[in-house]
Amino acid sequence: EPEVTQTPSHQVTQMGQEVILRCVPISNHLYFYWYRQILGQKVEFLVSFYNNEISEKSEIFDDQFSVERPDGSNFTLKIRSTKLEDSAMYFCASRQGATTNEKLFFGSGTQLSVL
Amino acid sequence: SQKIEQNSEALNIQEGKTATLTCNYTNYSPAYLQWYRQDPGRGPVFLLLIRENEKEKRKERLKVTFDTTLKQSLFHITASQPADSATYLCALDKQAGTALIFGKGTTLSVSS
Repeated sequence: EPEVTQTPSHQVTQMGQEVILRCVPISNHLYFYWYRQILGQKVEFLVSFYNNEISEKSEIFDDQFSVERPDGSNFTLKIRSTKLEDSAMYFCASRQGATTNEKLFFGSGTQLSVL
Repeated sequence: SQKIEQNSEALNIQEGKTATLTCNYTNYSPAYLQWYRQDPGRGPVFLLLIRENEKEKRKERLKVTFDTTLKQSLFHITASQPADSATYLCALDKQAGTALIFGKGTTLSVSS
C-alpha cells in the first residue's frame, strides 16, 4: 500500500531555533494535513492544505507555524522559533479527496524535542 | 464546536473475549465517523468508516455501530487477540466539510 513518508524521524532542537519537518504525501493525493500529538494526549489538528494554500487551521497554528509545498512531492511544516511546549510527535497525513468520508493516510511521524 | 469523548482511557480483556469501545460526540452530527488504530510511536491507521444512514458496519472481526440519536458509536473486536492491543481512536469532522478531529482514544490490552 502507498505510504506517507516523514523525515526526520527524530529532531532535537534548542528553544528559539527554527525547524522544518518534511513529508512526502501519497502521489495522487490532493489534500494534506499536519497533526501533532503531545505525549499522552490526543492527536490534534493543526492545518490542512489544498491547491497550494491553507484551507483550514486550528488555534494552535499561530504565526510561528507555516506550511509549504515547495515542489510536486514535498509538504513541509516550519516552526519559526520553537518553544518547549512545541515538543510533540508531528504527523503528516494526506487523502485523495476533500470529503470526510475518505480515510486519512498518516506518516510515522517526527518526534520533535525542544530543549 | 465538536467534542469527542471516548469513555475509558484503558480497557483490559482476556484473549478470545469481545472488546467494546465507546465514542460519544456533542453538537454537530457528522455524516461519517471513522475509527483508527494507533500503535505506540506510530501514526494512526484507518480501520473503518460508517455513514449516518448505516446502523452497522463489519470488517472481519471488527464491527462498528452508529447511533445518531444517542450521538454514539460503538466499536467491537470479537475473538480478541494480543495483537489487537493498541489505542483505538474515534474521528469525525468538527463541522461539515472540515478537517477530522480525534478523540483521545481507548488503549486496549488483550492478555493471553
